[in-house]
Amino acid sequence: DTEVTQTPKHLVMGMTNKKSLKCEQHMGHRAMYWYKQKAKKPPELMFVYSYEKLSINESVPSRFSPECPNSSLLNLHLHALQPEDSALYLCASSQALANYGYTFGSGTRLTVV
Amino acid sequence: AQKVTQAQTEISVVEKEDVTLDCVYETRDTTYYLFWYKQPPSGELVFLIRRNSFDEQNEISGRYSWNFQKSTSSFNFTITASQVVDSAVYFCALSGLRAGGTSYGKLTFGQGTILTVHP
Repeated sequence: DTEVTQTPKHLVMGMTNKKSLKCEQHMGHRAMYWYKQKAKKPPELMFVYSYEKLSINESVPSRFSPECPNSSLLNLHLHALQPEDSALYLCASSQALANYGYTFGSGTRLTVV
Repeated sequence: AQKVTQAQTEISVVEKEDVTLDCVYETRDTTYYLFWYKQPPSGELVFLIRRNSFDEQNEISGRYSWNFQKSTSSFNFTITASQVVDSAVYFCALSGLRAGGTSYGKLTFGQGTILTVHP
């Protein structure tokens, strides 16, 4: 299995909703990442987990809450989002934090209404 | 801080033409990786190549070739005999290798180049 699987593929949520994005990999990778990509822009790093511990938080607002329950799973909990948070959320994994190669999922397209 | 610049916002070519996508980077790290990714309309980022800062050999893979020049901080990507299926957004990216460095574990992308190949 050489994939990173993200669910759901599409999500529409209201500003008062709570939702979660899920990312799963079974490649034995020990680093996992969340990126946010606005339309016609490059992906921007949000969070990095290494060995299930939060390693990097790129000053992301607290309405985004990451969680890494185990080495194969990465969640992004969403609460009280704004319309400007609408974007493609990409998950990635790598063998370790030392950049051996990043595998990206196909993303979750989030629309906040 | 590290930075990747892709000066070409959009490129339009006719099928079978050769096309070169430019990438220039800035980093204070002495060891780093450079990447090229392809993003088709479906959204997923498809890995094309990784090159570490110690390896300046050019690489060819089928119709794709890459020219890494450390002296000019450039990592350019050429598609030979382009095809319609090559139409996508192409991103150049950079990541630091040194543990404790400011770019360690962070993949920084350029703004992307939209390539359209017409039949």
